Amino acid sequence: NAGVTQTPKFRVLKTGQSMTLLCAQDMNHEYMYWYRQDPGMGLRLIHYSVGEGTTAKGEVPDGYNVSRLKKQNFLLGLESAAPSQTSVYFCASRIAGGYNEQFFGPGTRLTVL
Amino acid sequence: AQRVTQPEKLLSVFKGAPVELKCNYSYSGSPELFWYVQYSRQRLQLLLRHISRESIKGFTADLNKGETSFHLKKPFAQEEDSAMYYCALSGGATNKLIFGTGTLLAVQP
Repeated sequence: NAGVTQTPKFRVLKTGQSMTLLCAQDMNHEYMYWYRQDPGMGLRLIHYSVGEGTTAKGEVPDGYNVSRLKKQNFLLGLESAAPSQTSVYFCASRIAGGYNEQFFGPGTRLTVL
Repeated sequence: AQRVTQPEKLLSVFKGAPVELKCNYSYSGSPELFWYVQYSRQRLQLLLRHISRESIKGFTADLNKGETSFHLKKPFAQEEDSAMYYCALSGGATNKLIFGTGTLLAVQP
C-alpha cells in the first residue's frame, strides 16, 4: 500500500498561473482533506470531502477549488495563483466513523513568485 | 469557537531531561484530542490520542477537562524525539481536525 500520495512534490508558479495538485489514496477512505502549512500558523484546513462527488469548505477556502470525482482522488486547484498561496500543502484521508485519525501525504511545496 | 493553543514555538531540552509540550483547547462539548508528530522530512503521523490512554515512544498525554489541557509528556527525552509536534482537536460531527500552531522540540545531546 502506498497510503496517501501527492503530486507534484515541488512547484514554482508565477503570479496568475494555474495548477492542480493531486492527492491519491489506496486505503478506500471515505474522507479526504486538503491543508496548508505555514510557519507559525500550523495546519489550516482548505477544503474537505466526505465522499465521492461531495466537497465542503474549510477554514481558508478562498482562492482554491477542489473536486472529488473518484473516491481515491482529491484534487486541489489554484485558478490564479498569488504569492500568499506560497505554502506547503498536505492531503490527508481517513475512514468514516471511528476515531478521527487522519493519514497524511508527504506534502507539496509550492512557491508563487 | 473551537481553538487549540500551543504556547511554545520552540522547546529545547537536553537528552535525558523531562519534556512537557503544552496544549490547551477551547471546545464546549466532549472533544477528541490528538498529538501528531512530524519528523524532519517526513509526513505527519499520529502519535497518540486521548481515547486510547496509551504510551507511545515513551510519551503520554492526559486530558484535563477542568483545565482544558492535553499536555504531552515524556520523562526522559531522546535525540530522536526532535520533531515538530501538533496538538489537534476534533469535536461534534464536523469530521474535521483543528490544529494548534505546533511546537518544535529540539533535544540537544
